[in-house]
Amino acid sequence: DVKVTQSSRYLVKRTGEKVFLECVQDMDHENMFWYRQDPGLGLRLIYFSYDVKMKEKGDIPEGYSVSREKKERFSLILESASTNQTSMYLCASSRDRNTEAFFGQGTRLTVV
Amino acid sequence: AQKITQTQPGMFVQEKEAVTLDCTYDTSDQSYGLFWYKQPSSGEMIFLIYQGSYDEQNATEGRYSLNFQKARKSANLVISASQLGDSAMYFCAMREGVEYSSASKIIFGSGTRLSIRP
Repeated sequence: DVKVTQSSRYLVKRTGEKVFLECVQDMDHENMFWYRQDPGLGLRLIYFSYDVKMKEKGDIPEGYSVSREKKERFSLILESASTNQTSMYLCASSRDRNTEAFFGQGTRLTVV
Repeated sequence: AQKITQTQPGMFVQEKEAVTLDCTYDTSDQSYGLFWYKQPSSGEMIFLIYQGSYDEQNATEGRYSLNFQKARKSANLVISASQLGDSAMYFCAMREGVEYSSASKIIFGSGTRLSIRP
């Protein structure tokens, strides 16, 4: 069974903290994605990666960075968390451009 | 400019009726893919159906079909004989290439919340 695992289901962090959200997939997929989901806005693409150490900015990269040192792991980093980064974060992976993306269970991050 | 537009924030449908969820998209790519996902209240994202831009036939998966009208840039999801378990958020998504790169990205619309009445 295909699996995308996000390290935490719920996180509470303080303003200004550096936050790491981890995502691991076991399908040997080339492509990995980070989204945030907010009511009424759908899923917005933060960053994506199409190979180890390769990354591209999505639509809302400000305040975030990513790391992909190994194929199976894609980390989202909030350099200095702010309250407007309180959201649901979803990680996904896909094999190629003609196949669907598989999603993790999501991390609900609250920044106080 | 919004690339994926879902104009129906919410819909109510009677059980057993068919329902159409609207999706329009904007891309200059010749090669792209269109997806629909379902997100129930549990939060998981469930893949429903895929249509490639070069596919001549509309995609179908069980009770789901995708009404693909390329010239109009629309990719509506049709659910036949709706069931109570179809109540969920539905997202339309598009995969397109990235300029000057071998990468491709998937972008989503804002979603439609479908509620099925018994």
